[in-house]
Amino acid sequence: GDSVTQMEGPVTLSEEAFLTINCTYTATGYPSLFWYVQYPGEGLQLLLKATKADDKGSNKGFEATYRKETTSFHLEKGSVQVSDSAVYFCALSEDSGGSNYKLTFGKGTLLTVNP
Amino acid sequence: KAGVTQTPRYLIKTRGQQVTLSCSPISGHRSVSWYQQTPGQGLQFLFEYFSETQRNKGNFPGRFSGRQFSNSRSEMNVSTLELGDSALYLCASSLVLAGYGYTFGSGTRLTVV
Repeated sequence: GDSVTQMEGPVTLSEEAFLTINCTYTATGYPSLFWYVQYPGEGLQLLLKATKADDKGSNKGFEATYRKETTSFHLEKGSVQVSDSAVYFCALSEDSGGSNYKLTFGKGTLLTVNP
Repeated sequence: KAGVTQTPRYLIKTRGQQVTLSCSPISGHRSVSWYQQTPGQGLQFLFEYFSETQRNKGNFPGRFSGRQFSNSRSEMNVSTLELGDSALYLCASSLVLAGYGYTFGSGTRLTVV
């Protein structure tokens, strides 16, 4: 079945540091890939997505590129801020077979950014 | 545009009781999904509904059930509550397919004592 593996952290950075959170996936078909972010006490917010190989999703300074050859979707940001402190989830969806209509998540990476 | 609304936000129940959680999707969204989030298991898919039909179901016991109404609002029910059912239950809505990206509600925090 489908699965997502991401670095679990926690990751602690200083403000303005470069961020990378690794994410790799296993899927039977050709999935769509997502990064979601969860702030304390809240639900998940869609951060960015990519639906086909070599697509780059971007939002709020975050970027991730769909790499089919390495089955990866690593999240990057050039300069993090304290307000980026949250838990980040990599996820995939496949609209075929038994994986229809659902998201499969990684376990999440806790990011803490210190001033 | 209103987001996904889940009620109640917090709930405390006793073992053996049953509970019903409610979710109102974004207007126009016809797909509603439910997820359970726990520290140990992370985010796990419960079920998905579209136009009142369950299209997919996760690997949960039959005590977990759901339904969707004609206005796309959804409820999930857990019967005979166990301590391990304590979790954050998240509802998400989407236009049609998961590939469009889901919008999540803030969740219902269920504590079973």
